[in-house]
Amino acid sequence: QVQVVESGGGLVKPGGSLRLSCAASGFIFSDYYMTWVRQAPGQGLEWVSYIGPSGSTIYYADSVKGRFTVSRDNAKKSVYLQMNSLRAEDTAVYYCARHGSEIDYWGQGTLVTVSS
Amino acid sequence: DVVLTQSPLSLPVTLGQPASISCRSSQSLLHSNGYTYLTWFHQRPGQSPRRLFYKVSNRDSGVPDRFSGSGSGTDFTLEISRVEAEDVGVYYCLQGTHWPPTFGQGTRVEIK
Repeated sequence: QVQVVESGGGLVKPGGSLRLSCAASGFIFSDYYMTWVRQAPGQGLEWVSYIGPSGSTIYYADSVKGRFTVSRDNAKKSVYLQMNSLRAEDTAVYYCARHGSEIDYWGQGTLVTVSS
Repeated sequence: DVVLTQSPLSLPVTLGQPASISCRSSQSLLHSNGYTYLTWFHQRPGQSPRRLFYKVSNRDSGVPDRFSGSGSGTDFTLEISRVEAEDVGVYYCLQGTHWPPTFGQGTRVEIK
């Protein structure tokens, strides 16, 4: 069955960096776009970033552009989110999701807390 | 960016009664390819979102048939014919027609 599992979250100081990973299984990873979505505590969902099957198509939300970098390794069936210059407002659960013509399967999320 | 406005934001319902959630878009969600990329998700407390419907009304596997999705253009509706206890949580609409993808604010369904 389709599974995506995020890891790498934790507590980081403002201005710091963190790298999230998302491991996929149960589908042909190299055929799919992958998306990152975040959810601040008690808040709604915010789309963050998107990467195409080969990694050549990449988009970011304006709120993270220039600070976050998405990448993927199709051999490892994994997608990554490198987050630099983190701010308090980046505190959220970060979800990785498979993205066919539309977003379908989500992981359980990993919590990123930006605080001094 | 396209703004999706959900209403109501909070929906107390009685078990066995119907419920309806509206999602209105600031622009038509009809893509030039003829598809309408409007998706509904359900998020139970402490869980990740689960997709219910894609392209407005296509029900995902395992979604009970008491749920239905409808609409076109800028107005969309998620309906539950008879609410059950497992239906509590927050429902979100998402548009994928226009870049970037955007979510509605969410509608919290609770049992009276």
